[in-house]
Amino acid sequence: GAVVSQHPSRVICKSGTSVKIECRSLDFQATTMFWYRQFPKQSLMLMATSNEGSKATYEQGVEKDKFLINHASLTLSTLTVTSAHPEDSSFYICSARAHETQYFGPGTRLLVL
Amino acid sequence: GENVEQHPSTLSVQEGDSAVIKCTYSDSASNYFPWYKQELGKRPQLIIDIRSNVGEKKDQRIAVTLNKTAKHFSLHITETQPEDSAVYFCAADTRRGRMNSGYALNFGKGTSLLVTP
Repeated sequence: GAVVSQHPSRVICKSGTSVKIECRSLDFQATTMFWYRQFPKQSLMLMATSNEGSKATYEQGVEKDKFLINHASLTLSTLTVTSAHPEDSSFYICSARAHETQYFGPGTRLLVL
Repeated sequence: GENVEQHPSTLSVQEGDSAVIKCTYSDSASNYFPWYKQELGKRPQLIIDIRSNVGEKKDQRIAVTLNKTAKHFSLHITETQPEDSAVYFCAADTRRGRMNSGYALNFGKGTSLLVTP
């Protein structure tokens, strides 16, 4: 299957700082990537759809000014959590679509102190 | 957004028994239904998927059935093994928004499967 990488795998930061997470499709081009958030023992919740060359589409209840998404190329999408707070601590997973199948990155575990 | 309901939330079976997980969806335009297995702290891994032009698909010990009329699909694992223990998520490709914003996967809440030796 297709490979999706994500960096960093783990981040610990102080409240009020910004954190940038990168998602890359390694062996295919992805015009669309997706960002999910998963709290402990819960399901994956779609945050936004990242479209190459255009603005991201955010799900209801997700603050677009807090979760900045940039999809600058067909293989890279970034999620920046601005002014992070402890309630933003979660497992963030990106996903890229190849031929209708969605492949997931390894996830980034964010802990905001 | 459109919902995907998944049952049961937990399932415990003896090694060698079968396990069945059921999901329903509400978006009639959904055409793609994957199942993912997620081990603790790891990414979801696609284990099988089915598209709406097919009623059943099988891959060794895993099978998925789809009833598009009733809007439900199921995962069947036969001859379960302890290494099958994980959280399983169903998903349905769902329209985003009203203005052709494309499709994205909506996930069920997950089923925690425990296979005891």
